[in-house]
Amino acid sequence: GNSVTQMEGPVTLSEEAFLTINCTYTATGYPSLFWYVQYPGEGLQLLLKATKADDKGSNKGFEATYRKETTSFHLEKGSVQVSDSAVYFCARETSGSRLTFGEGTQLTVNP
Amino acid sequence: NAGVTQTPKFQVLKTGQSMTLQCAQDMNHEYMSWYRQDPGMGLRLIHYSVGAGITDQGEVPNGYNVSRSTTEDFPLRLLSAAPSQTSVYFCASKNNGHVGQFFGPGTRLTVL
Repeated sequence: GNSVTQMEGPVTLSEEAFLTINCTYTATGYPSLFWYVQYPGEGLQLLLKATKADDKGSNKGFEATYRKETTSFHLEKGSVQVSDSAVYFCARETSGSRLTFGEGTQLTVNP
Repeated sequence: NAGVTQTPKFQVLKTGQSMTLQCAQDMNHEYMSWYRQDPGMGLRLIHYSVGAGITDQGEVPNGYNVSRSTTEDFPLRLLSAAPSQTSVYFCASKNNGHVGQFFGPGTRLTVL
């Protein structure tokens, strides 16, 4: 089937630590992949995207590379800040622009 | 541009009541959709529309109805609310052929 599996949370880090949130997907073909971020009390914001294999999406210091061979799209940031505390969702786009989301990973960054 | 707007922000219903969640966008986007967010389950697609007059079902359509009479508006109707419909509802939009959707701020619905 078509699904997205995310690393279970919650994740708690100290400021300036390295972040990785794992995401793997199942799909036929090559779907577009996304990371969305949800800050407390807000809707989802598109953080970054990749539309084909080996593409690297990046934004606000976050990066993710579309790995076809491992069907993965792991989110990384070299040095997290307190302001990065949020819920992060991995998603894939199926036909008809429908998004399938992972379960979400709660990130808390402590000063 | 206001982007994607949703009303109300919060709503409490009793079982069996009906109501409409409003969604509007001012970006002239053809594609609009409704998702519900439940703890530990991410977001799941309820209904979507690729343009005025066209709607289709998503992953969890039962108990919900939609219509798309204009490009700007995409209301979601709960016909007879049930406690299982307690959730946070998000509307989203984009242009057909573009990658990435814009989400509204959400409506938190509680059904007692």
